[in-house]
Amino acid sequence: DSGVTQTPKHLITATGQRVTLRCSPRSGDLSVYWYQQSLDQGLQFLIQYYNGEERAKGNILERFSAQQFPDLHSELNLSSLELGDSALYFCASSLGFTNEKLFFGSGTQLSVL
Amino acid sequence: SQQGEEDPQALSIQEGENATMNCSYKTSINNLQWYRQNSGRGLVHLILIRSNEREKHSGRLRVTLDTSKKSSSLLITASRAADTASYFCATTTDSWGKLQFGAGTQVVVTP
Repeated sequence: DSGVTQTPKHLITATGQRVTLRCSPRSGDLSVYWYQQSLDQGLQFLIQYYNGEERAKGNILERFSAQQFPDLHSELNLSSLELGDSALYFCASSLGFTNEKLFFGSGTQLSVL
Repeated sequence: SQQGEEDPQALSIQEGENATMNCSYKTSINNLQWYRQNSGRGLVHLILIRSNEREKHSGRLRVTLDTSKKSSSLLITASRAADTASYFCATTTDSWGKLQFGAGTQVVVTP
């Protein structure tokens, strides 16, 4: 158990809908990262937060947004969902400012039908 | 786009054999990390090697880094069935920015 909690584990929804994925980092970790994993794209970095502030942005679509709250949990919002958004979404956390060792949650499997 | 590319894509070996996989990357890096993923579960950090290091060991793992060739290798010695997993290299250009993963090597270890 990495100590990173992601909910829900599975999510099935329809095209055009909006969903929110939630992540609680390990106790004491200030940085949160979001990744998308799919068969065709592999593991894609989406976005990183440190202590509530956005630190780095990757291939995150404009339909997607994220935030990190004062209690350090993070949410990834996906809107106007398309079939191609079906993927495994991972949250990871690290102790401080650095990305030198990430702890991953078990992921949220999103299926868009 | 992915920074690292692993080779081979898949590897099948028997217990007790060594497994070697390679990672090539495109731009200068600050550090390179290897992670393991068991069947759709979360990734687990294995080892980190910094750009000024050439080799590191951790248990049955040995990692090398050749910055002139922009490549790294991960060696798992005396493999076990429990080593069956996908292995990913991840690179970063600094120690606080985004960590980008390669496509992974799928390793199957048969008893």
